[in-house]
Amino acid sequence: DAGVIQSPRHEVTEMGQEVTLRCKPISGHNSLFWYRQTMMRGLELLIYFNNNVPIDDSGMPEDRFSAKMPNASFSTLKIQPSEPRDSAVYFCASSREPDSQETQYFGPGTRLLVL
Amino acid sequence: GENVEQHPSTLSVQEGDSAVIKCTYSDSASNYFPWYKQELGKGPQLIIDIRSNVGEKKDQRIAVTLNKTAKHFSLHITETQPEDSAVYFCAASIGSSYKLIFGSGTRLLVRP
Repeated sequence: DAGVIQSPRHEVTEMGQEVTLRCKPISGHNSLFWYRQTMMRGLELLIYFNNNVPIDDSGMPEDRFSAKMPNASFSTLKIQPSEPRDSAVYFCASSREPDSQETQYFGPGTRLLVL
Repeated sequence: GENVEQHPSTLSVQEGDSAVIKCTYSDSASNYFPWYKQELGKGPQLIIDIRSNVGEKKDQRIAVTLNKTAKHFSLHITETQPEDSAVYFCAASIGSSYKLIFGSGTRLLVRP
């Protein structure tokens, strides 16, 4: 089975540009997480979806960040406008059951650099 | 707020030796403690987890121990191999929820 798929794997953009990160969770998984990883702050949860519905977005840093999950197979994380401090590795993870402590399976990440 | 501290930040061992990574957590209601291994250029992958009703769990060369009273848990890797070299993260649940607080990571290097 394919794991969590993320695209692009690397993104370099200029400050002020819009950035869209994409995620395809594991088929059959009902929970989806977006994380951000930086040297300074480590691994942080940004937003959590349960059956395609955003449940907890308390980790989203500010209004420049938005996330959608239009169906069970696809999610996007958008940054508009992007800033240099948004440079980080963004991970998508999925798990089988919602609202439970099931194993979270991480994708390979998108390494974002905002110049 | 909830916090997880992880030590050491780097660890270098000789192949065949054991490695121990320790974490402490602040939320006394935490009941789920996974450990993730992250190789270069990849996402974290679960290697073992433990729940608060268990004091120890073992899977081949990997074991995790939990001391709820002291609020700390540890990862033990025996007979280390070069392919064990990676960054290891501990995590603790916020209460009994799905939300995890991650430690800052330990970079393990196993010297051949």
